[in-house]
Amino acid sequence: DTGVSQDPRHKITKRGQNVTFRCDPISEHNRLYWYRQTLGQGPEFLTYFQNEAQLEKSRLLSDRFSAERPKGSFSTLEIQRTEQGDSAMYLCASRGGGAETQYFGPGTRLLVL
Amino acid sequence: GENVEQHPSTLSVQEGDSAVIKCTYSDSASNYFPWYKQELGKRPQLIIDIRSNVGEKKDQRIAVTLNKTAKHFSLHITETQPEDSAVYFCAGGGGSYIPTFGRGTSLIVHP
Repeated sequence: DTGVSQDPRHKITKRGQNVTFRCDPISEHNRLYWYRQTLGQGPEFLTYFQNEAQLEKSRLLSDRFSAERPKGSFSTLEIQRTEQGDSAMYLCASRGGGAETQYFGPGTRLLVL
Repeated sequence: GENVEQHPSTLSVQEGDSAVIKCTYSDSASNYFPWYKQELGKRPQLIIDIRSNVGEKKDQRIAVTLNKTAKHFSLHITETQPEDSAVYFCAGGGGSYIPTFGRGTSLIVHP
């Protein structure tokens, strides 16, 4: 499968724990996005990378959230001190330079107990 | 920033009927408008998109129209089939392209 992949697909954690998700974009795509999606809502933008540079970050994003893309390939999203309100689907998407079309991964579904 | 409104939130049709979903946007600089289909438990998948220099685009049973003056765009699905049942999202954006998504329309096609 040469599409966007995410790991894990599901994560259950207790409130206060840290979690980390991984996204592997389509190999030639230099742009990578993280979104959060809750039930009945569209994907909500979290952050955006072009190569290894984090160019945009949502103002709504708590400082408990951090993302990296150290070598311009895969990316990680970490949530520290998780809260029940963090329960959601976390989607990653990538796109190639010069094209607007984004391709989504299958998502990581997080449940914070 | 961009604000995208999507209507209706739920749309129920009989198989064979047409379905229309409408979105409005606020940022006149937005120049790219994709539509995604998301089946339950699956990733959003692009079904059609339109750029601001085009007024209409068609792909088999699916078409999208764009009215830049009024800042709205619509998805049209003709001859609906049960497998068209899903949640559909519109999005708008431009520039560095950080898309803003609508809240989604749950389309139910009754056989």
